[in-house]
Amino acid sequence: NAGVMQNPRHLVRRRGQEARLRCSPMKGHSHVYWYRQLPEEGLKFMVYLQKENIIDESGMPKERFSAEFPKEGPSILRIQQVVRGDSAAYFCASSPTGYEQYFGPGTRLTVT
Amino acid sequence: DQQVKQNSPSLSVQEGRISILNCDYTNSMFDYFLWYKKYPAEGPTFLISISSIKDKNEDGRFTVFLNKSAKHLSLHIVPSQPGDSAVYFCAATPGAGSYQLTFGKGTKLSVIP
Repeated sequence: NAGVMQNPRHLVRRRGQEARLRCSPMKGHSHVYWYRQLPEEGLKFMVYLQKENIIDESGMPKERFSAEFPKEGPSILRIQQVVRGDSAAYFCASSPTGYEQYFGPGTRLTVT
Repeated sequence: DQQVKQNSPSLSVQEGRISILNCDYTNSMFDYFLWYKKYPAEGPTFLISISSIKDKNEDGRFTVFLNKSAKHLSLHIVPSQPGDSAVYFCAATPGAGSYQLTFGKGTKLSVIP
């Protein structure tokens, strides 16, 4: 059973560009989460989705950030008009039940 | 307002001895607790979890203890091995509804051969 997959692993964007991060959950997992880790910090919750539904987006910045988990295909975290402060590691996790979450390898976003 | 605190940024232990990592929380709504291990440039790896209705859970070399009255949990690793050297994160969730995890800032464990 393949683990959570994320791509790209590394992404470099110039200020003002868009970043799209993709996450394929483990087979059979219907719960998907996105977390962000800033340097020297713990992981911070961003958003929780199930197929075609956003369940909890209380950790998402109000502007420029959006997430989706369509009926078919991976979950996407989209950051519009990136700024230097968006540089971080973004982790996706999936779960069969909600409790035990299994993380992908992360996407390291660098904004230049 | 840090709801999950790991007060020791680092810990060094001799190979074969016990490693004890500590975690405190402030939110009484948390009802499920997890420990993750993380290597640089990788995602967190789930280690062990415990529900608030229990006070101990064991899995091989890893044991998690929960003291609800003190809002404290700890992870014991016995015996410690050099491959255990990593950053360990404590996480908690209130469960039903969101399941969002709140993480501590981590403790870097170094196991010395």
